[in-house]
Amino acid sequence: DAKTTQPTSMDCAEGRAANLPCNHSTISGNEYVYWYRQIHSQGPQYIIHGLKNNETNEMASLIITEDRKSSTLILPHATLRDTAVYYCIVRYYNQGGKLIFGQGTELSVKP
Amino acid sequence: DAGVIQSPRHEVTEMGQEVTLRCKPISGHDYLFWYRQTMMRGLELLIYFNNNVPIDDSGMPEDRFSAKMPNASFSTLKIQPSEPRDSAVYFCASTYSSGGGHEQFFGPGTRLTVL
Repeated sequence: DAKTTQPTSMDCAEGRAANLPCNHSTISGNEYVYWYRQIHSQGPQYIIHGLKNNETNEMASLIITEDRKSSTLILPHATLRDTAVYYCIVRYYNQGGKLIFGQGTELSVKP
Repeated sequence: DAGVIQSPRHEVTEMGQEVTLRCKPISGHDYLFWYRQTMMRGLELLIYFNNNVPIDDSGMPEDRFSAKMPNASFSTLKIQPSEPRDSAVYFCASTYSSGGGHEQFFGPGTRLTVL
């Protein structure tokens, strides 16, 4: 599975969009990009995933560059409850396969 | 659905004692994962099962650790004997292959302290 690089920490003002970058320059054609988050003391929570196209769900949007070497998770209107560690993970699609978590980005949403 | 259920939520034990952590996956899920989280090592996968069969146990740290899944609705992670360095939060997660297996559902975790 390809390695990912994320900033260690970021701040965002409440109500503004939070844009979390992830670099995965060694990604291969069959690898998906996944985003999970972990709110303090809780289990990780799935947010979104994508292969090539941009994706949007009720939680967030995922923008993947055309060369697929980087992506951005967008929380359109961040709230205090979005304060968490966000993990970008790249892995092959193999139905239920394991996730390898890096250090993630600690997002602090401030009033 | 109650989600993934783990018990106990907190466990404090003394070095050398046997510890058993329990997990009930979401009904209908055919994959089950055990993860461990520490400050030093972050979140790491220990073992995962598909249809109750262990698929990859390469993350299990030592022979002191063992995991079983006797049926589709129950799994255990056992540490015998426990050591202080086993202190961590242990998460269980499950997913279903018919849904693509993209989303893993995590339990609340068991916080283990070994004195």
